[in-house]
Amino acid sequence: NAGVTQTPKFQVLKTGQSMTLQCAQDMNHNSMYWYRQDPGMGLRLIYYSASEGTTDKGEVPNGYNVSRLNKREFSLRLESAAPSQTSVYFCASSARRVSGGEKLFFGSGTQLSVL
Amino acid sequence: QQQVKQSPQSLIVQKGGIPIINCAYENTAFDYFPWYQQFPGKGPALLIAIRPDVSEKKEGRFTISFNKSAKQFSLHIMDSQPGDSATYFCAASMQGGSEKLVFGKGTKLTVNP
Repeated sequence: NAGVTQTPKFQVLKTGQSMTLQCAQDMNHNSMYWYRQDPGMGLRLIYYSASEGTTDKGEVPNGYNVSRLNKREFSLRLESAAPSQTSVYFCASSARRVSGGEKLFFGSGTQLSVL
Repeated sequence: QQQVKQSPQSLIVQKGGIPIINCAYENTAFDYFPWYQQFPGKGPALLIAIRPDVSEKKEGRFTISFNKSAKQFSLHIMDSQPGDSATYFCAASMQGGSEKLVFGKGTKLTVNP
């Protein structure tokens, strides 16, 4: 059972270049998320998709776009990369817990450097 | 505005010690408080979670203590082991999906042998 799969694991870009981070989950979850993790900043939500066909902004959406391609796949695009977007990016999906709340399932991350 | 304040930023204990990580929140509408554990090079994973109707929850060596009146909750790790060395994030959310989940900034725990 693969869970949440992200590609690539590492990427180096030059300022102004574009790229797409891919994410797929095989747990049949409706909701998917993109987070960025920076030292001392915790996890910050970039965009999320509550269901296939819908996407919404999170806390830090500027400079990013997303596409919910189908129920399994949720991609994150940087149209014109900036050094401030150097970060570790995590994709996640979620499931309701019987005891309440939700459980997030994270991928293993993409380490992105923008020079 | 940081809605969940986590301390300390880093913590070093000896094997067998009991590290304690604290979190404080302001929004009284929060009703779900999970802790996530992250090992280097991996994504975070849910460790344990609590609802505000109980004051303590224990799962194995991990315990959450919850103080509703003080708006604080903490993670205790009993008989800590080197394998517990990781970054721990507290979080809080209101009714609804994980898009409402607010994370603390994390605590890097090191357990020395």
